[in-house]
Amino acid sequence: AQSVTQLDSHVSVSEGTPVLLRCNYSSSYSPSLFWYVQHPNKGLQLLLKYTSAATLVKGINGFEAEFKKSETSFHLTKPSAHMSDAAEYFCVVKEGGSYIPTFGRGTSLIVHP
Amino acid sequence: ETGVTQTPRHLVMGMTNKKSLKCEQHLGHNAMYWYKQSAKKPLELMFVYSLEERVENNSVPSRFSPECPNSSHLFLHLHTLQPEDSALYLCASSQEWGLDINYEQYFGPGTRLTVT
Repeated sequence: AQSVTQLDSHVSVSEGTPVLLRCNYSSSYSPSLFWYVQHPNKGLQLLLKYTSAATLVKGINGFEAEFKKSETSFHLTKPSAHMSDAAEYFCVVKEGGSYIPTFGRGTSLIVHP
Repeated sequence: ETGVTQTPRHLVMGMTNKKSLKCEQHLGHNAMYWYKQSAKKPLELMFVYSLEERVENNSVPSRFSPECPNSSHLFLHLHTLQPEDSALYLCASSQEWGLDINYEQYFGPGTRLTVT
């Protein structure tokens, strides 16, 4: 069975400082992992995905995530936060034995000027 | 028009009304989804259509009735809703659906539904 846990419901950073959004997963099969972003009053947009190729995945807008099987983690990072990064971020897991992806509860990123 | 579009963007309806939400995808995808997003709750999958056939119905009350007339269009028909049905309803599509399928989903902007 698959599950995903986003360890922080809110993360607050200052503009120009690094961003770390944490995600742990559980999967019985080789998982595919995704990060989506949702800005206010908008739909979800794919930031990046991992599908058993390179463990360090680069996405849009300077975000990247590293798949760590030993730690069952897929944390999202960005070296320098922008005001426009303020949004809700969702970690998603889908394993080979499942039809349906499982979404995390979301992490709200707050960026202070 | 590109991506996934949804209409209307906002809808206010009484508990005895009947309304429909519309979703259209311009990506040539074969799978389409309805999700419900409520405040402080995880995203809830409602229905999945693959090649116009309903393949998933996630224990959704019968007051929600989906329709997929072709692979580009998806509707959600609403009738006799309850105030707790107020939420953001998101439509999504993906290239395919199935086991060992890991295509990402493309989401529309959502319809903000308020039931009074």
